[in-house]
Amino acid sequence: DQQVKQNSPSLSVQEGRISILNCDYTNSMFDYFLWYKKYPAEGPTFLISISSIKDKNEDGRFTVFLNKSAKHLSLHIVPSQPGDSAVYFCAASSSSGGSNYKLTFGKGTLLTVNP
Amino acid sequence: NAGVTQTPKFRILKIGQSMTLQCAQDMNHNYMYWYRQDPGMGLKLIYYSVGAGITDKGEVPNGYNVSRSTTEDFPLRLELAAPSQTSVYFCASSLTETQYFGPGTRLLVL
Repeated sequence: DQQVKQNSPSLSVQEGRISILNCDYTNSMFDYFLWYKKYPAEGPTFLISISSIKDKNEDGRFTVFLNKSAKHLSLHIVPSQPGDSAVYFCAASSSSGGSNYKLTFGKGTLLTVNP
Repeated sequence: NAGVTQTPKFRILKIGQSMTLQCAQDMNHNYMYWYRQDPGMGLKLIYYSVGAGITDKGEVPNGYNVSRSTTEDFPLRLELAAPSQTSVYFCASSLTETQYFGPGTRLLVL
C-alpha cells in the first residue's frame, strides 16, 4: 500500500503564476517531510523540508505547508519559472523505532512551466 | 567536494550476468542508501547502511547484495541479473533525514 501519495501525475502552469503540488500520507508516525526535485537523467536534489512541529516552512520562492490533521502537505512555488519544470517527489520519514532516517517516496508529479 | 558519485552511468547486462554498481560519498555521512526507480514510480529502498560494517534490507532487497567496508563506499551487487532488474539505481547518503543523491546508474537487462 502506498503510504505517500501524489495523486496528480502532472501539472502545467504559466510562467509567473503559482504552482501548487500536493501530497497525502497515511502513516501517522511520519514526522518529517521533504520535497525533492528531479531533472531527467539526474539524481533527485533536495528542495525544502518541514518538521511536524511546524505547519509552514519557506525558502525563497518555495513554501511547504503541512496539515497534520488531514495528513496533507503541499509545495507552493511563486512565481513559477520555466527552470522549475521537473518531477517533484514528496518524501516522508519517521523518527520512531530506529527508522535510520529512511524515506518513503511518492510517485512524483511532473511540473511543466510554460513561458 | 564531489558529493555522491556513482559508476557506471549506463550498463547493459545479459540475463544471468552479475555486476557491481559503485557508490562513493565524500561528505563523511554515516547513512547510505540504495534505491531503484522504475518508470512512473517513486524511489523504492533496496538496502541501507547506518555505518561501516552495518547493513540492512529495505523494501525490495531480493536479487541484490551490499557491503559497507568503509564510510565512503557502498557498492550494490546484482547476482544473476533478471529483466525485472531493469531500472535506474540511485545511491544516497545522509547525516539526518535529508538525503543527498548521486546521478544514478541506468541498467538494462536483456
